[in-house]
Amino acid sequence: KAGVTQTPRYLIKTRGQQVTLSCSPISGHRSVSWYQQTPGQGLQFLFEYFSETQRNKGNFPGRFSGRQFSNSRSEMNVSTLELGDSALYLCASSLDRLRRGNTEAFFGQGTRLTVV
Amino acid sequence: SQQGEEDPQALSIQEGENATMNCSYKTSINNLQWYRQNSGRGLVHLILIRSNEREKHSGRLRVTLDTSKKSSSLLITASRAADTASYFCATNNAGNMLTFGGGTRLMVKP
Repeated sequence: KAGVTQTPRYLIKTRGQQVTLSCSPISGHRSVSWYQQTPGQGLQFLFEYFSETQRNKGNFPGRFSGRQFSNSRSEMNVSTLELGDSALYLCASSLDRLRRGNTEAFFGQGTRLTVV
Repeated sequence: SQQGEEDPQALSIQEGENATMNCSYKTSINNLQWYRQNSGRGLVHLILIRSNEREKHSGRLRVTLDTSKKSSSLLITASRAADTASYFCATNNAGNMLTFGGGTRLMVKP
């Protein structure tokens, strides 16, 4: 069974640009979550999508957005990039068959975003 | 914001020794999960313990959960050099949203 796939693996962008990151969950998983990891703030939750609906949202500015498609694939977008957005962005998928949450998460290898 | 703290922040041991990491959290939880991360790569799920469970085992891993003290511990027995990594605890209390601790950097010397 294929794991969680994130593309691209590495990305360099300029301040002010926007970026879209992609995540393909494990087949059959309906919940997809996104996290930002930085040396200063550690791992922080961005948002969770379940069946194309945002179910939970972290404390990030509106420049960070996401969506989920009917095949459960998810994208996150960051507009007007700032230097502080440089980070490892991780996607995780969960089976959540009963739609109740409380299930284990499986992470992709991440996308390393560098803003210059 | 992070849910809690992990202790110690860094741990260095010899191969064959046991490694114990502790995690404290602040709010009620559905479950607590432990993850391993090698050199800034993706997180590998190790074990999930639900709020109504007190102890769980998986291979060389033993996890305990004390909800009255809002704390958990991860024990790795007979450690190997390949166990060198950062270990994170994460709590879940809504959907599949995880709140992570700061992590423990474990170094196992051959």
